[in-house]
Amino acid sequence: AQTVTQSQPEMSVQEAETVTLSCTYDTSESNYYLFWYKQPPSRQMILVIRQEAYKQQNATENRFSVNFQKAAKSFSLKISDSQLGDTAMYFCAFMKHERRGNLIFGKGTKLSVKP
Amino acid sequence: DTEVTQTPKHLVMGMTNKKSLKCEQHMGHRAMYWYKQKAKKPPELMFVYSYEKLSINESVPSRFSPECPNSSLLNLHLHALQPEDSALYLCASSHVGTGNNEQYFGPGTRLTVT
Repeated sequence: AQTVTQSQPEMSVQEAETVTLSCTYDTSESNYYLFWYKQPPSRQMILVIRQEAYKQQNATENRFSVNFQKAAKSFSLKISDSQLGDTAMYFCAFMKHERRGNLIFGKGTKLSVKP
Repeated sequence: DTEVTQTPKHLVMGMTNKKSLKCEQHMGHRAMYWYKQKAKKPPELMFVYSYEKLSINESVPSRFSPECPNSSLLNLHLHALQPEDSALYLCASSHVGTGNNEQYFGPGTRLTVT
């Protein structure tokens, strides 16, 4: 069975600084997808970034980038120039290639951006 | 339109009531999902519909009954719920197949069972 581990239950960062959220996963699959989702307080979950396991290049979306280390089964999220609006719960998620739709989430990291 | 809508936003129901949650998307997605999320926990998958047919049921009790009347609508019928079923119920949708398979989530229905 696949598992996703986020070892940092809570983190805080000063506005404009950089922060990295950790995620590791366990799988025997070679083809899969990894995601970071953001859920602000009392607001809906939105996709931050997506990585396909067969792509070696790390995904980036504006201030958000990942460090995908397939051999180490690590998928960390780096947020540059943190903004107050980045305050949210961040979930790392895994999806097997052939069981599309079945997202397996980590327990989440609560990120607070302080002014 | 990249929006998934859910109604109602809040619902309070007694254990003997029957109610329904509604989800709608107009992104042309042919996969739709129901998740249950307890406070400070990640979402847990309940059901997956693919091309309007139930493809995954994660051993959910029969007091939850999903329905997908068409490709844009997803319902969750609730009957004889227990207080421990109180949670945020999230709907999501996505394309089917490889490629653009990321899920788009709705804002959720916060359900309280009294």
